[in-house]
Amino acid sequence: DQQVKQNSPSLSVQEGRISILNCDYTNSMFDYFLWYKKYPAEGPTFLISISSIKDKNEDGRFTVFLNKSAKHLSLHIVPSQPGDSAVYFCAASEGGSQGNLIFGKGTKLSVKP
Amino acid sequence: KAGVTQTPRYLIKTRGQQVTLSCSPISGHRSVSWYQQTPGQGLQFLFEYFSETQRNKGNFPGRFSGRQFSNSRSEMNVSTLELGDSALYLCASSHLTANGETQYFGPGTRLLVL
Repeated sequence: DQQVKQNSPSLSVQEGRISILNCDYTNSMFDYFLWYKKYPAEGPTFLISISSIKDKNEDGRFTVFLNKSAKHLSLHIVPSQPGDSAVYFCAASEGGSQGNLIFGKGTKLSVKP
Repeated sequence: KAGVTQTPRYLIKTRGQQVTLSCSPISGHRSVSWYQQTPGQGLQFLFEYFSETQRNKGNFPGRFSGRQFSNSRSEMNVSTLELGDSALYLCASSHLTANGETQYFGPGTRLLVL
């Protein structure tokens, strides 16, 4: 029973275009959401987060959108660069979760020059 | 600030042995969480320590245990290793912001059980 789902295992985008990575969740108690980027043989790197009291958070080329009614969030990368090629994980936590992040299975993004 | 460090980076053990992995959190972070990553199950939460106390635990058998020291460094121990314990073990230290608790991960320890 996956509480956080990333239904697209892979995504291919041309350099300079927008990359949109999607994530759905089932637990309405989740109130904090994070995106991580992971290269092979490395730990996940924190990218951006959003609290459930917001519907958008932006940091440079990265924007996360949260639609609470649909239990859906997305990560937009504009413009996409070849160095963005990695696996992207969506994660969620519940208030007072005490260190327990629930991760999706990840989406492998390939940005082609 | 130095990031989260984990040692060793790679480890090969045989079934039935035990293993201890180490994690040093980012300076000032008091919470350390451990995760197991496998191709089939993805990233799964093992447990979290805060101020030397286990504060939260995932759904793993008792063979998996951990502890945290007064300097916030943490160790994870797996006893009676099984082939299925082969995985990347990730440690994360947490920083509480106004919005939520953000975890920062180390590079992981790749464990291979033969």
